[in-house]
Amino acid sequence: GAVVSQHPSRVICKSGTSVKIECRSLDFQATTMFWYRQFPKKSLMLMATSNEGSKATYEQGVEKDKFLINHASLTLSTLTVTSAHPEDSSFYICSAYAGTSGRGSTQYFGPGTRLTVL
Amino acid sequence: LAKTTQPISMDSYEGQEVNITCSHNNIATNDYITWYQQFPSQGPRFIIQGYKTKVTNEVASLFIPADRKSSTLSLPRVSLSDTAVYYCLVGDIAMDSSYKLIFGSGTRLLVRP
Repeated sequence: GAVVSQHPSRVICKSGTSVKIECRSLDFQATTMFWYRQFPKKSLMLMATSNEGSKATYEQGVEKDKFLINHASLTLSTLTVTSAHPEDSSFYICSAYAGTSGRGSTQYFGPGTRLTVL
Repeated sequence: LAKTTQPISMDSYEGQEVNITCSHNNIATNDYITWYQQFPSQGPRFIIQGYKTKVTNEVASLFIPADRKSSTLSLPRVSLSDTAVYYCLVGDIAMDSSYKLIFGSGTRLLVRP
């Protein structure tokens, strides 16, 4: 159980275009989903926290107009990289969380999406 | 959010036991300790989670001393396929804050034949 999928797994696009990445929790409902980006040989960097039915909370330094996040249902969150540029090329990973306040709980991660902007 | 400190890298050989220690001096009362494994170009995979004492599952053990300021992930009899980056994280959800994990640099484990 606790499977999270991402689509697409890799995408190549031209500079200036927008790219949408989907994150789905397949066998559980996720009250909260998270989006990370990871550069080669580096650790994961949290970009934003996405709660179903409300606006995402972005980490400091992450442009909310650049990285649009929508969490339309308890099993789907999307990240849209708008007007992508080569510096946006990275590995984007989502995670999904379903837990109860006050107890230990776990985030389950998707397999990641490799974005290459030409 | 509690900050974690881990060794940058470790080397081992097939069949050996590997212990990776993580320091988290500022761990809060409600924080749990979670370890993830990540292979190149893949999302992190949950390994084990604990609050205190010892937790064991089919792949690893997690040792947490009474003061909870550190934890040790133990991988028994590693194989080449255990070569990966291992992340130690602490955190928990609270009623008035969002639950988020802040990744440190992780430990790159290299298992040699």
